[in-house]
Amino acid sequence: SAVISQKPSRDICQRGTSLTIQCQVDSQVTMMFWYRQQPGQSLTLIATANQGSEATYESGFVIDKFPISRPNLTFSTLTVSNMSPEDSSIYLCSAGTSGRAFARNEQFFGPGTRLTVL
Amino acid sequence: TQLLEQSPQFLSIQEGENLTVYCNSSSVFSSLQWYRQEPGEGPVLLVTVVTGGEVKKLKRLTFQFGDARKDSSLHITAAQPGDTGLYLCAGGSYIPTFGRGTSLIVHP
Repeated sequence: SAVISQKPSRDICQRGTSLTIQCQVDSQVTMMFWYRQQPGQSLTLIATANQGSEATYESGFVIDKFPISRPNLTFSTLTVSNMSPEDSSIYLCSAGTSGRAFARNEQFFGPGTRLTVL
Repeated sequence: TQLLEQSPQFLSIQEGENLTVYCNSSSVFSSLQWYRQEPGEGPVLLVTVVTGGEVKKLKRLTFQFGDARKDSSLHITAAQPGDTGLYLCAGGSYIPTFGRGTSLIVHP
C-alpha cells in the first residue's frame, strides 16, 4: 500500500485566481492520478500524471486549465487555473503501486482538497 | 469505455439491518475493487476480487464476484453507524472505471 498526503486540505479562492495542489506519496509509485469529485458523488478522472513527460488528460479536461507536474516517482502537483465557481469541488490524488497491487488495478487515495471558488 | 452501474444510489437504514449493494456491467473485468469513503476523506480500498464466483469476507462485509466477472455485490450484515459512507466499485485495466457510488447512512 501507499500513504498519500495532499496540501492544502481546503481553500477558498477568488474567481480568476489559480491554486496549486500538492500530492506526496511515501514510496515510489508507478502511476499517479488526479480526480475531481462532487460531495457524495463518484470520481471523475482528470488526468494521469506521467513522470518525466506531459500528463495524459481525459476528455473534457485540458492542460491550460489543469496543468500537472510530476517531477519524480513520489510527487505531483495539479494547478486549477483561472478559477470559476464551477471549479468548486473536491480534488483527489491517487497512486497505483507496483507489483500485485498494480496488476490488480488497486489505487490508494489522498484525503482530498476541498476547493471553494467565490 | 467499460461502464459500471451501481445500485442503489442511496440507502438509509436502521442499525442492525442487512443490505446489499450491486455493481453491474456488460463488460468483463479482470478485477474489481470496492472502496469506502467517509466524509472529508479519500476512498479507502476494502477488497479486490479477481476470480469469477469468488467470495471474500471482511468482518460483516461479504463481497462476491459474478461467475462471468461482469458484476459484483457487497452485502453488509447487521449494519452499524460506523458503516456510514460512500461505497464505490471500480474495475478495468490500467485506469479503473468507477461506479456512481452508493451513499449509505446507518441510523443508530
